[in-house]
Amino acid sequence: EPEVTQTPSHQVTQMGQEVILRCVPISNHLYFYWYRQILGQKVEFLVSFYNNEISEKSEIFDDQFSVERPDGSNFTLKIRSTKLEDSAMYFCASSVHRDNSPLHFGNGTRLTVT
Amino acid sequence: QQPVQSPQAVILREGEDAVINCSSSKALYSVHWYRQKHGEAPVFLMILLKGGEQKGHEKISASFNEKKQQSSLYLTASQLSYSGTYFCGTESGGYQKVTFGTGTKLQVIP
Repeated sequence: EPEVTQTPSHQVTQMGQEVILRCVPISNHLYFYWYRQILGQKVEFLVSFYNNEISEKSEIFDDQFSVERPDGSNFTLKIRSTKLEDSAMYFCASSVHRDNSPLHFGNGTRLTVT
Repeated sequence: QQPVQSPQAVILREGEDAVINCSSSKALYSVHWYRQKHGEAPVFLMILLKGGEQKGHEKISASFNEKKQQSSLYLTASQLSYSGTYFCGTESGGYQKVTFGTGTKLQVIP
């Protein structure tokens, strides 16, 4: 069964550094998402993306964050000038349709900011 | 606004039943249900698309009351493999966004 893949599985970075989290969505999916989860807490929506544009973004997704689809397969989340509170599990997801369509999640990237 | 789930946590013995509720303050277009095991990604269980719809997935089923802006997940004859955190996810229509609920931690013991 096709899956969403994320790399790296774990990223450690120092406060103030930039990180790029990478995702390869399922190949026939057109809608992409980033969510984050702070240590076993709620799953928080960050951003959705379609047709090379952001569709929706949350209050968390401020100027520190950006997303990009640099080629036909990758979908990236860039976090500039990381803060301690950015430490979390970041999940990428994709879906076939915009509405009423199951989200397929990758295994996540655990980001630790020291 | 984030949907509220109840209970926050529940412990069951194998074979017992449980109900997990999800309530939203916003009008709902659809409700998703996901299960997340410790250290893993959420896994899709089912989606309910209109008021009153019910769905089943093995011994796990769900209902959606559109008027009350609520959904319930029913787990019958629970198995050890049902352990995990259950999240509802809601869509309010017109947006490419699923908002996840507060989560319910379910533990099934022998």
